[in-house]
Amino acid sequence: DQQVKQNSPSLSVQEGRISILNCDYTNSMFDYFLWYKKYPAEGPTFLISISSIKDKNEDGRFTVFLNKSAKHLSLHIVPSQPGDSAVYFCAASRYGQNFVFGPGTRLSVLP
Amino acid sequence: GAGVSQTPSNKVTEKGKYVELRCDPISGHTALYWYRQSLGQGPEFLIYFQGTGAADDSGLPNDRFFAVRPEGSVSTLKIQRTERGDSAVYLCASSERPRGPDTQYFGPGTRLTVL
Repeated sequence: DQQVKQNSPSLSVQEGRISILNCDYTNSMFDYFLWYKKYPAEGPTFLISISSIKDKNEDGRFTVFLNKSAKHLSLHIVPSQPGDSAVYFCAASRYGQNFVFGPGTRLSVLP
Repeated sequence: GAGVSQTPSNKVTEKGKYVELRCDPISGHTALYWYRQSLGQGPEFLIYFQGTGAADDSGLPNDRFFAVRPEGSVSTLKIQRTERGDSAVYLCASSERPRGPDTQYFGPGTRLTVL
């Protein structure tokens, strides 16, 4: 029973265009969400977070949107760059503890 | 500065053997976490240390898994009587403040293969 789902295992986007990665969760008690990026043979690195009191958080080219009623969040990357090619994990928690990760989406940004 | 390091990077063992996986956190980080990542899945929480003590071990799958952090720095994850289903990448992360999700720094992981 996956509490955090990333239904697209992979995504390909042209350089300069927008990348949109989606994440759905089932536990309405989750109140803190993060996105991590992972390159091959490296550990995940923190990208951006959002708490349930907000519906949007922006950091440079990265924006995370949260729709609590739909239990859905998305990560927008614009403009996409080849260096953004990686696996992106969505993670959710209650009170910032015991994070539950999704299975990841592999993003390929084509030059 | 030095990040989180994990040794070995790869470990191949036979079913039934005992293995130890080591994590060196970032100097000064008091919180340390172990995760397991199976193929096609995201990291799965195993255990969290605050200092020398295991503050939360609710993610350990069974009593074959054990972890220690005797001096509040280096941690060792120990797996007894390994099974093929234990094959995964074991990730360690550390953070400066307790349960700081956005300040967890991950190591590169140890890929464990149980034949």
